[in-house]
Amino acid sequence: AQKVTQAQTEISVVEKEDVTLDCVYETRDTTYYLFWYKQPPSGELVFLIRRNSFDEQNEISGRYSWNFQKSTSSFNFTITASQVVDSAVYFCALSEWGAQKLVFGQGTRLTINP
Amino acid sequence: DGGITQSPKYLFRKEGQNVTLSCEQNLNHDAMYWYRQDPGQGLRLIYYSQIVNDFQKGDIAEGYSVSREKKESFPLTVTSAQKNPTAFYLCASSRGQSKDQPQHFGDGTRLSIL
Repeated sequence: AQKVTQAQTEISVVEKEDVTLDCVYETRDTTYYLFWYKQPPSGELVFLIRRNSFDEQNEISGRYSWNFQKSTSSFNFTITASQVVDSAVYFCALSEWGAQKLVFGQGTRLTINP
Repeated sequence: DGGITQSPKYLFRKEGQNVTLSCEQNLNHDAMYWYRQDPGQGLRLIYYSQIVNDFQKGDIAEGYSVSREKKESFPLTVTSAQKNPTAFYLCASSRGQSKDQPQHFGDGTRLSIL
C-alpha cells in the first residue's frame, strides 16, 4: 500500500532562513511519481514539481530545490532565503503506476516571520 | 484563462438536507476528482472520474454521490447520510489517465452545518 509521511506538522522560521520540509514515502511499485503542492491561505493547491522514480537528479527552481533519494524513500523540499510569501501548507504526494489515485501526506504548515 | 471553478465558496447545510457542490473545468481534462480536507489531515479522495459517464469511489465515498454527464462538470452531492460533513472540499482535474499528470485544483468550498 502507498503511504506518504510528512513528520513536521508545523515549522516557523524567520525570513531569509533556509528551511527543509521532509517527505518520506512507502510503495511497492518500481514505477511511481512524487509531487509537491503548495496551499496558500486562499485554499487552492498549486502544483510545484513532479518527479518519476527513475530520475534521482536533484532539481532547483529559483529559491526552491528538491532532493530525491530512493535509498531512503525521501523527497525533501528546501526553500533557500525564505520569504513571507512562502508561508503556506505544503503537501507531498505519491502516485503509483498501478494505482488510480494520488495519496497525500498530512501537510506541513510553514510560517515565515518577518 | 483556463482553470477550475468551484461554487459556492461557502455553503451551509441543515440537518437532513442534501447539498450539491459545483465543479467546472475548461482545461479539457479527462479526469476529475473530489477531495475532502479536514484540519491537520491531508486530502482524502472521495470520488474520481476518468471519463464521461464513469466514476469510481475513493477512500471515503460513504455519504456522497457524484455524476459525470459532461466532460467539464463533476458535481458532488453531500447527502444526509454523511454525518460529519463539515470540511473543506477541493475539486481537481488532470489530463488523461496517466499517473504522471499533475492535478490542477479549484479554490475549494467550505461546508458547515447550521
